[in-house]
Amino acid sequence: AAGVIQSPRHLIKEKRETATLKCYPIPRHDTVYWYQQGPGQDPQFLISFYEKMQSDKGSIPDRFSAQQFSDYHSELNMSSLELGDSALYFCASSPGQGFTEAFFGQGTRLTVV
Amino acid sequence: GESVGLHLPTLSVQEGDNSIINCAYSNSASDYFIWYKQESGKGPQFIIDIRSNMDKRQGQRVTVLLNKTVKHLSLQIAATQPGDSAVYFCAENRPGGGADGLTFGKGTHLIIQP
Repeated sequence: AAGVIQSPRHLIKEKRETATLKCYPIPRHDTVYWYQQGPGQDPQFLISFYEKMQSDKGSIPDRFSAQQFSDYHSELNMSSLELGDSALYFCASSPGQGFTEAFFGQGTRLTVV
Repeated sequence: GESVGLHLPTLSVQEGDNSIINCAYSNSASDYFIWYKQESGKGPQFIIDIRSNMDKRQGQRVTVLLNKTVKHLSLQIAATQPGDSAVYFCAENRPGGGADGLTFGKGTHLIIQP
């Protein structure tokens, strides 16, 4: 069965650089969620999209932005990277609003040096 | 073995024993709860869910118990196996619609001893 695909799996950037993370949801899933998980921490909700519109915002820094495209894939853009941005970034998708039947991708490990 | 959730991040149990992982959730209005298993370097994997109109739900080797009075959730794993080693998170979903995602609790690291 198709799963949530995230790319890249690993990314190394220097401070003040930018990064773009991509998420391809399960087919026919129209809702995408982004989470950030620091080392030894629980996942923190960043932002979500439903039908290509931003649905809700969590603890997403102003330096980050995201969007969902017409094919429902989503991109998380991160600028002016800081060392503290080093984390695992997970994307999840679900059919419709609400978190039932949501599945997570394998995540992108971002390391800022 | 049993964890006290937020205050005991590591639970060590013998292979074959039953494990109980506890979680205290924050919002009394939350109406949907999920337990996730996360192995090192991987995304959270759905284990079992429960809605607030239930107090117990069983899956294969796993049982989730919900006590709304004290806002407590537990995950019971029967006959723990080495493959059960992972960090387990409970998560709650607030009502009212909107795709605002889940709020995750602090994880509990389950270690299986041979």
